[in-house]
Amino acid sequence: AQTVTQSQPEMSVQEAETVTLSCTYDTSESDYYLFWYKQPPSRQMILVIRQEAYKQQNATENRFSVNFQKAAKSFSLKISDSQLGDAAMYFCASNNAGNMLTFGGGTRLMVKP
Amino acid sequence: GAGVSQSPSNKVTEKGKDVELRCDPISGHTALYWYRQSLGQGLEFLIYFQGNSAPDKSGLPSDRFSAERTGGSVSTLTIQRTQQEDSAVYLCASSTNLRIETQYFGPGTRLLVL
Repeated sequence: AQTVTQSQPEMSVQEAETVTLSCTYDTSESDYYLFWYKQPPSRQMILVIRQEAYKQQNATENRFSVNFQKAAKSFSLKISDSQLGDAAMYFCASNNAGNMLTFGGGTRLMVKP
Repeated sequence: GAGVSQSPSNKVTEKGKDVELRCDPISGHTALYWYRQSLGQGLEFLIYFQGNSAPDKSGLPSDRFSAERTGGSVSTLTIQRTQQEDSAVYLCASSTNLRIETQYFGPGTRLLVL
């Protein structure tokens, strides 16, 4: 079975600064995918970034990038130039052979103006 | 195009009543998932439909929960004899056939059982 752990229940960052959200996972699969989803108060889960485990290069999407350490089973999310609209719950997730996602407990990100 | 839609947005019911939650996936998506998000348990997988294959029901918490998907599109999650611990946000997601594809989520249905 897969497990995903987010050790930071809450984080805060000053607007325009950089913040890193941590995620570790455990899996027996050799082929898997990792995701970061954002959930604003509207409840809708929005994909932020995804990483294929077979790719060594870290994924990047504009201000969002990941630090994927496969051996350490670590998958952190870095948000650069934080904006007020980045405030939300962030969930790290992985999929397995059955396709369903396993989620971490979430990190609430607050952005201070 | 249109995203995943869910209805109702909010539902309040009395303990012991049955409820039906509806999910309309993105057009052309053959895979459909139901998840539950509650304060105590976080985000949990409930059930997964893929095309015409038998659904993966391994996440359903009890036999009071069931789901169907008609015509390979719309899905209904039914909770019979609701209990207070069923109060949660029920999220639906869809994706294309391929395992590598991203799941796209709807806005969820917030269920409150009094």
